Amino acid sequence: KAGVTQTPRYLIKTRGQQVTLSCSPISGHRSVSWYQQTPGQGLQFLFEYFSETQRNKGNFPGRFSGRQFSNSRSEMNVSTLELGDSALYLCASSQDSNTEAFFGQGTRLTVV
Amino acid sequence: AQSVTQLDSHVSVSEGTPVLLRCNYSSSYSPSLFWYVQHPNKGLQLLLKYTSAATLVKGINGFEAEFKKSETSFHLTKPSAHMSDAAEYFCVVRGYSSASKIIFGSGTRLSIRP
Repeated sequence: KAGVTQTPRYLIKTRGQQVTLSCSPISGHRSVSWYQQTPGQGLQFLFEYFSETQRNKGNFPGRFSGRQFSNSRSEMNVSTLELGDSALYLCASSQDSNTEAFFGQGTRLTVV
Repeated sequence: AQSVTQLDSHVSVSEGTPVLLRCNYSSSYSPSLFWYVQHPNKGLQLLLKYTSAATLVKGINGFEAEFKKSETSFHLTKPSAHMSDAAEYFCVVRGYSSASKIIFGSGTRLSIRP
């Protein structure tokens, strides 16, 4: 059974640009959640999607958005990138809310 | 509201000695609690989970955790540390409802001395 796949693994962008990250969940999992990990702030919850609907949202500005497709694959978009957006972005999938989440390897975004 | 506090940012033990990583939580309802491990440059791996069944939960790699409602704690233990246990450990809480957010602790870095 394939695990959670995140693409790309590494990304370098310039301030002001936008970026789209992709996450393919484990087959059969309907919940996909996104996290930002930085040395200073630790792991912070961005949002969760379940059956194409955003179910939960963390405390991030509107520049951070996401969506989920009918096949449960999810994308996260960050517009007008800032230097502070440099981080490891992790995606996790689960069957539902209270079941364990399985994490991908992450996408390391560097904004220069 | 929910929160989780990992009481130690760094724990160092000798190989072969017991490991104790402390986690306290706060939740309005019966929470689900998890411990995850992250090795350098790797993703997060689930060690164990508590979802209102047995209070003593056994996980992978010899780790276990005990849910203590009276103390609002969910400490992670291992009887004998191995060099490969060196990693960052995260305690995670989530409430019962589907609208509950997932809250990560700040992490505890575990170092193992030879």
